[in-house]
Amino acid sequence: DAKTTQPNSMESNEEEPVHLPCNHSTISGTDYIHWYRQLPSQGPEYVIHGLTSNVNNRMASLAIAEDRKSSTLILHRATLRDAAVYYCILRTQGGSEKLVFGKGTKLTVNP
Amino acid sequence: EPEVTQTPSHQVTQMGQEVILRCVPISNHLYFYWYRQILGQKVEFLVSFYNNEISEKSEIFDDQFSVERPDGSNFTLKIRSTKLEDSAMYFCASSEDQTLRAFFGQGTRLTVV
Repeated sequence: DAKTTQPNSMESNEEEPVHLPCNHSTISGTDYIHWYRQLPSQGPEYVIHGLTSNVNNRMASLAIAEDRKSSTLILHRATLRDAAVYYCILRTQGGSEKLVFGKGTKLTVNP
Repeated sequence: EPEVTQTPSHQVTQMGQEVILRCVPISNHLYFYWYRQILGQKVEFLVSFYNNEISEKSEIFDDQFSVERPDGSNFTLKIRSTKLEDSAMYFCASSEDQTLRAFFGQGTRLTVV
């Protein structure tokens, strides 16, 4: 499974933007970049995914570097409810079905 | 938004007993998964299930574990002869396609005493 690297933790203030980085230098052409998050005492929750182009949805934006070796999950206005562990995961089209969770980035949002 | 439902939310069992964890995936989904998370550790893949058979399993998923889709709506994980180290949160997930988003349930907390 292609590997991703994320900071262990990040801190933000409420209503400010948050940029969560992920490095995936060994990404292959058929790897999709997925982001999930896990709120305290809950199951993982899908956030967003992309292949090459930047993506936006109601939860977040995903900015993918031109060489695809890194990506950034952007929360435009952090709320207290966004405090969670954020996981950056690569999924290969036609490859393994499983999600491989690393340790992720624990995001703390200060009021 | 559609939901994956898991029951029970918490199960306490004696070591050596069998437990069945139940899940109702989203109705039009074709791929089903079980994951577990030991307290304070990473979420770990156990097994995936497609077309009424196991499509992939991890080293954790040994003969102690089995999965079944008995009636077209439920998806169950059976753990035979539970051990203390089986204590964990167990998450069921489903997806329409193997590369699309997976929807996770809220989990069953299994405590083996």
